[in-house]
Amino acid sequence: GAVVSQHPSRVICKSGTSVKIECRSLDFQATTMFWYRQFPKQSLMLMATSNEGSKATYEQGVEKDKFLINHASLTLSTLTVTSAHPEDSSFYICSASWGVGNTEAFFGQGTRLTVV
Amino acid sequence: GENVEQHPSTLSVQEGDSAVIKCTYSDSASNYFPWYKQELGKRPQLIIDIRSNVGEKKDQRIAVTLNKTAKHFSLHITETQPEDSAVYFCAAPNRDDKIIFGKGTRLHILP
Repeated sequence: GAVVSQHPSRVICKSGTSVKIECRSLDFQATTMFWYRQFPKQSLMLMATSNEGSKATYEQGVEKDKFLINHASLTLSTLTVTSAHPEDSSFYICSASWGVGNTEAFFGQGTRLTVV
Repeated sequence: GENVEQHPSTLSVQEGDSAVIKCTYSDSASNYFPWYKQELGKRPQLIIDIRSNVGEKKDQRIAVTLNKTAKHFSLHITETQPEDSAVYFCAAPNRDDKIIFGKGTRLHILP
């Protein structure tokens, strides 16, 4: 299958600072990337959908000014958690596909964010 | 929008027995149904998927069945092994073609 690389895998930051997470498709062009958040022992909650060259589409309840998404190229999308707070601590995971909806989505390895 | 319900939330099965996880979806236009396996601290991995033009698909010990009329699909794992212990997620696309996940089933394979 295709490879999606997410970086960093773990990050600890202080309250009030910003953290950038990168999601790269290594061997295919990802027209669409999805960002999910996963709390312990819970499901993957879709935060936003990003398409290369256009603004991200955020799910209801997700603050777009807090979770900045940039899909600058067909192989890279970034999620920046701005002014992080302890409640932002979570597992963030991206997925990428070259189609939409009914094609397989490949997941990055996830980023465990801890805000202290 | 699409609503994906998954049951049970936890399932314990004796090693060697079969496990069945069921999901229902709400959007009749959905036409692609993947199943993912997620081990602790790792990324979800696609284990099998089915499209709406078939009713069943099998890959070794894993099978998925789809009933479009009833809008439900199921994952079947036969001859379960310890390495099958994980969290399993079903998913379906909504009308905006975003993949919506079920809440997950934690499968325990008992020795």
